[in-house]
Amino acid sequence: DAGVIQSPRHEVTEMGQEVTLRCKPISGHDYLFWYRQTMMRGLELLIYFNNNVPIDDSGMPEDRFSAKMPNASFSTLKIQPSEPRDSAVYFCASTTPSRGGHRELFFGEGSRLTVL
Amino acid sequence: GQNIDQPTEMTATEGAIVQINCTYQTSGFNGLFWYQQHAGEAPTFLSYNVLDGLEEKGRFSSFLSRSKGYSYLLLKELQMKDSASYLCAVRDRWDSNYQLIWGAGTKLIIKP
Repeated sequence: DAGVIQSPRHEVTEMGQEVTLRCKPISGHDYLFWYRQTMMRGLELLIYFNNNVPIDDSGMPEDRFSAKMPNASFSTLKIQPSEPRDSAVYFCASTTPSRGGHRELFFGEGSRLTVL
Repeated sequence: GQNIDQPTEMTATEGAIVQINCTYQTSGFNGLFWYQQHAGEAPTFLSYNVLDGLEEKGRFSSFLSRSKGYSYLLLKELQMKDSASYLCAVRDRWDSNYQLIWGAGTKLIIKP
């Protein structure tokens, strides 16, 4: 079975440019999460969706960040304009109720963003 | 406030046993997760505890004490491939507001 697919795996851009990260969740999963990971701050939840609807975006740093989920198989995280402090690994994860009800997260390989 | 504490780094010897501790202070509790993350890779699920006690899964076991706000991950018969970061995460509410509070992770170094 295909896991969570993210693209691009690596992105190097200059300050001020627009960055779009993409995610395809595991088929049938009803929750999708966008996380950011840095050495300083660890894993931070940015936003999550349930059945394509944004539920909690309180982790989105500021208006420069936006996320969409137009359908059950695709989501985007956009940063416009990008800044050097946005440099991080961005993970997408999806989940669905397990038999144990614990909803383990399945992470994509991540998109490593470097803003110069 | 919400807080999860784990040691930053631990070192152990191949073939030995290591225990990674996690303490938490959260407004509520609805389960504790352990994830493994190899350098440059995504976190992968290891274990889940919601009731007090020990859950065993092969070489890995996870323990929870809700009254003490404490969990540990026990790794036996350590192998070099166990060198990774181990992340503790607590779910403080149920599905109506799905949110995990993450620890900073414990980097485990295995030496031959």
